[in-house]
Parts: sequence; structure tokens; C-alpha cells
Amino acid sequence: GAVVSQHPSWVICKSGTSVKIECRSLDFQATTMFWYRQFPKQSLMLMATSNEGSKATYEQGVEKDKFLINHASLTLSTLTVTSAHPEDSSFYICSARDTRRSYNEQFFGPGTRLTVL
Amino acid sequence: SQQGEEDPQALSIQEGENATMNCSYKTSINNLQWYRQNSGRGLVHLILIRSNEREKHSGRLRVTLDTSKKSSSLLITASRAADTASYFCATGRTGGSYIPTFGRGTSLIVHP
Repeated sequence: GAVVSQHPSWVICKSGTSVKIECRSLDFQATTMFWYRQFPKQSLMLMATSNEGSKATYEQGVEKDKFLINHASLTLSTLTVTSAHPEDSSFYICSARDTRRSYNEQFFGPGTRLTVL
Repeated sequence: SQQGEEDPQALSIQEGENATMNCSYKTSINNLQWYRQNSGRGLVHLILIRSNEREKHSGRLRVTLDTSKKSSSLLITASRAADTASYFCATGRTGGSYIPTFGRGTSLIVHP
């Protein structure tokens, strides 16, 4: 099956710093990638939809200036958490849709655990 | 708002028993997908069932879909300790391109 990787798998940073998380589709092209965040024992909440070559579409309540998304190629999307604060600590998961598949199957990355001190 | 809602929220069984989880959703769907998540990990796609299908099997997994009741069930037969995980259903948001939205999930614990 298709593989999606994320880097880093975990990161600890100081409050006020920015953190970049990468999401890569390793063996397929993904015109669309999705970014989710998940708090402990909670569901995945969609943050934004990232389309290659265009601006991301953010969900209501998600600050686009705080969570910068770039999808510069068919295999890479990045999420940058700017001026991170402790409340941004969460598990961030990306997913990618394989454009060759017709039934919208999505493949998820392993997630990135962000801890802001 | 979340589309799928799983039930029960938590399930604890002994190895060898069957585990059944349910998912209810609110609007029309093209398909419904079940995912598994081990603690602190990403999601693994288990099975996709299309709106014109009523039942689907994959190994020890059996998924049913009742579009009239807007519900789906996931049955894991002969459970193993390794099946311990959270299970989520995901349905596509209506309108535009398919974007899966998730419920809170069912936390399954299988005791050896």
C-alpha cells in the first residue's frame, strides 16, 4: 500500500518558537493532503486541506497565520506552527490521497507529537 | 461538526471473543471507511465499504452498512491482544471533494 511519512516524529520546543512538520508521500503522488490534530483520547480534527500549487483551505476556527501550510510538490506538504504556545501541544497527523485511486482512500502518516514548553 | 460517531466509546474483552463496534452518521455518504489507531500512532486504513454495499469482509474483519439507518458496524472475530487499539469510522463530508471526518472512536482492549 501507499506510504506516507512525517518528520519529525516528535519535537519539544520552547514557547514562542516555530516548528515545521513535513509530510511526504513516498511512493505515490498526492495532489491533496490533509492536516489533522488530535488531543489525547479525542478524535482527529481536520485543520486544513492542502492542494498542490495552491493555497490551503482552513477549517473554521483554525488560524491560517499561525498554522502555515505549504504544498509545493506532489509529494511534500509542510505545516509550520508559528510562535508555538503550550496550548498548541498536540499530535499532528497528515494524510494524503492517492490520485490514482478512485474511492478516496486516504493514507495517514505516523503523526508528529509536538510538546511546547 | 463530526460526521461519524462510534459506539461504544470503550470496549474490554478477552482474547478469542468477538468485538463489535458501531458507527452512526448524519448525512448521505458515498462510502464509509474504518481505521485503526494504535496509541500514539497514525491511522491505518482497515476497510472501505461503498454506499451500494451491505457487507464486506477482510480477514477477521466484517463490516456492515445500513444506509437506511445511517449506521455501520465493524466486527472483529476471534480477537487477539494485538487488536488492542482505537477504531474510528470516517465518512466523507457532503459537497465538494471527499474529506473524511472522524468520530471519537472506540477504544478496544483485548486481554490476553
